[in-house]
Amino acid sequence: EAQVTQNPRYLITVTGKKLTVTCSQNMNHEYMSWYRQDPGLGLRQIYYSMNVEVTDKGDVPEGYKVSRKEKRNFPLILESPSPNQTSLYFCASSAARDSYNEQFFGPGTRLTVL
Amino acid sequence: AQSVAQPEDQVNVAEGNPLTVKCTYSVSGNPYLFWYVQYPNRGLQFLLKYITGDNLVKGSYGFEAEFNKSQTSFHLKKPSALVSDSALYFCAVRDNYKLSFGAGTTVTVRA
Repeated sequence: EAQVTQNPRYLITVTGKKLTVTCSQNMNHEYMSWYRQDPGLGLRQIYYSMNVEVTDKGDVPEGYKVSRKEKRNFPLILESPSPNQTSLYFCASSAARDSYNEQFFGPGTRLTVL
Repeated sequence: AQSVAQPEDQVNVAEGNPLTVKCTYSVSGNPYLFWYVQYPNRGLQFLLKYITGDNLVKGSYGFEAEFNKSQTSFHLKKPSALVSDSALYFCAVRDNYKLSFGAGTTVTVRA
């Protein structure tokens, strides 16, 4: 089954404790992206990647890091989480690099930073 | 920079009635427009998109959307709503490699 998977699905942590949210897709997609969803703000793009070793900032990259060492994986790293990073996070992927390809979304990771 | 506005936080309709969810956009180049739906505790699912061509785009689950360049709008429509259409709907515009979403519209269809 074609899918985007994220782990963990739920995470409660404390301020300053480094964490990684993994994202993996099995569709051989070149493009991958991370979003955060907050009430009343919709989804905002954090980082995206057009291919292996190619990443770029989205609209809200502060406090986050990403890497793309393999085509299928695109982990999101919070080096020193803060309470304002409490949110629902989605990973997504799409075929090729054409702007008109729709994205496939993972199930989401709900992060709470105390 | 591109942006999307969904002027209604909530839309309530009776089952069987037409459903419209509004979206307006701003983009410097050609607009690539999308609608996604999010059911409770689920990720987003693609409904339909406009790239070019016919202004009326048909998508999944009986939804369609009308692209209007002069009004910079891309409203989502369904002729006859179902209770199962109750969900959170997002309009999005893609410019190069960035995808910008609206704040979302919660649709409630009552039986």
